[in-house]
Amino acid sequence: AQRVTQPEKLLSVFKGAPVELKCNYSYSGSPELFWYVQYSRQRLQLLLRHISRESIKGFTADLNKGETSFHLKKPFAQEEDSAMYYCALGGTSGSRLTFGEGTQLTVNP
Amino acid sequence: GEEVAQTPKHLVRGEGQKAKLYCAPIKGHSYVFWYQQVLKNEFKFLISFQNENVFDETGMPKERFSAKCLPNSPCSLEIQATKLEDSAVYFCASSRRDGYNSPLHFGNGTRLTVT
Repeated sequence: AQRVTQPEKLLSVFKGAPVELKCNYSYSGSPELFWYVQYSRQRLQLLLRHISRESIKGFTADLNKGETSFHLKKPFAQEEDSAMYYCALGGTSGSRLTFGEGTQLTVNP
Repeated sequence: GEEVAQTPKHLVRGEGQKAKLYCAPIKGHSYVFWYQQVLKNEFKFLISFQNENVFDETGMPKERFSAKCLPNSPCSLEIQATKLEDSAVYFCASSRRDGYNSPLHFGNGTRLTVT
């Protein structure tokens, strides 16, 4: 069965500090991992996906199959990064995404 | 359109009444998904469509919930005889058919309140 765990419901850091949002997954096949972000009063939107291996808004995430993790990192947090972050696990095109419970990130000035 | 459009934004129903939610996917997207989010917790998958065909309905409650995606019409999610526990935000998402991992594009959601 697919499962995504985000152990931290709330994470608070100061501006300029590094931030890491944890995500662990359970999946028997070859996983496709995503991070989605929901800013206040906006729709859920894709932040990045592991297959792209790109950095968006300074965020990166590396898939670690040994540890079954896909942690989201940013070296210097900004106030505008405050949002709800969801890790998601998917499979082939058209298949459902399984979401974690989300981590509310607050970046304080 | 370039965004997934969901209507209405808010819907209030008395217990036992019917609720119908609509979703217009992004033009050219083949897949439509419905998710339920209760109290800002995790997204619970309900059902997905590939064009007008049900693709995966393993998340749909057996009773009271139904969904359709008909040609040239918005997709719909209908709840017959709503219950208090159906109160949630219902999100629709669509994706292209372009291979392995097309990302989902989400609508703004419909907030259903059952009183």
